This record gives sequence, C-alpha cells and structure tokens, in this order.
Amino acid sequence: GAVVSQHPSWVICKSGTSVKIECRSLDFQATTMFWYRQFPKQSLMLMATSNEGSKATYEQGVEKDKFLINHASLTLSTLTVTSAHPEDSSFYICSAVSSTETQYFGPGTRLLVL
Amino acid sequence: RKEVEQDPGPFNVPEGATVAFNCTYSNSASQSFFWYRQDCRKEPKLLMSVYSSGNEDGRFTAQLNRASQYISLLIRDSKLSDSATYLCVVNFRGTNAGKSTFGDGTTLTVKP
Repeated sequence: GAVVSQHPSWVICKSGTSVKIECRSLDFQATTMFWYRQFPKQSLMLMATSNEGSKATYEQGVEKDKFLINHASLTLSTLTVTSAHPEDSSFYICSAVSSTETQYFGPGTRLLVL
Repeated sequence: RKEVEQDPGPFNVPEGATVAFNCTYSNSASQSFFWYRQDCRKEPKLLMSVYSSGNEDGRFTAQLNRASQYISLLIRDSKLSDSATYLCVVNFRGTNAGKSTFGDGTTLTVKP
C-alpha cells in the first residue's frame, strides 16, 4: 500500500515552545492531507484539511493561529503547534489522500508538553 | 446522532470464532466506505474498501447496504493477531470529497 511518513515520531518539549511536525507521502502525490489528533481511548478527531497551494480548512473549535498548517507541495504538509501547553499533549496523525480517495495514515507523532 | 455509528464493544472471542461488526451512517450522500484497523498506540491502517457488491479478502468479508445505510465486516477463523480496534470510515461527495468521517471504533480481543 501507499506510504506516508511523519517526523518526528515523538517529541517532549517545555510549555511555551513551538513544535513542527512533517507529513510526507512517499510514493504518491496528495492534493489533500488531513491532520488528526487522538487522545487516549478516544477516536480520531479531525483538526484540519490541508490542501496544496491553498489555506487549510480548520474544524470547529480548532484554533488556526495555534495549529499552523502549510501544504508546501504535493508530498509535504507541516503542522506547527505554537506555544504548546500540557493540554496539547496528544497523538497527532496525518493522512494523505490518494487519487482513489483512500486515506493512508502516517505513523503518528506523540507530543508531550511538560 | 453521530454521522457514523459503531457498536463500541468490546468483543471478546476465542480463537477460531467468527465475529461480525456493524456500522451505520446517516448521510445518504456518502460516496465510499472503508474499514481500518488500529492497534494500540499506532496509526489506523487500511483493512479493506467496501463495495456495493460485497468484497472478500481472505478471512475478511465486507458488505454494504446503501438502502439501509449499513456496512458490515465479518472476520472468520479469528486469530490472536486480529485483536485491535476496527474503524468504520465513510467519505462524502462534493465539497467534502475525500474528507472522511470515522466511527468511534469497535474493539476486538481474540483470546487463546
């Protein structure tokens, strides 16, 4: 199947710092990528839709100025958590949409804010 | 009412058992359907797409009933390695093309 990578796989940072997460589709081009967050024992929660060449679309309740998304190319989208706080600690997962509208997920990034 | 609803389980079955998961969706404009599995602390991985004619992949069979807005997944001869959370995923047409709605997942534990 298609391969999507995420980097870094885990991050521990101090409160107030910014953290950048990269999502790459390695063997296909993705016009659309999605960013999700998942808290323990909960389902995936869509944060935003990232479209190459245009502004991201954020879900209700997700602050666009806190979670900055840049879809720089057809194979790369980045999520920057600005001024991270302990409540931002979570499992962040990206997905890239193939030409058949199938989502392929990255391995996720575990963020722990101290 | 949630757009995609699944029985959360948990389903605890012995090895070799047959188990079925159900999923209903509320938006009749739904375009495509998938089952994913998610292991603990891992990302979701595509298990199979679901087609109107039904489709089978080894021990796994998926069915779609558009009239009833219902999707199912049948696992035969369960293995210990089948233990995971199974996510029902629905994509919609139009402006939300490609955007998926996830069910909350059904947890399966296969025991020796």
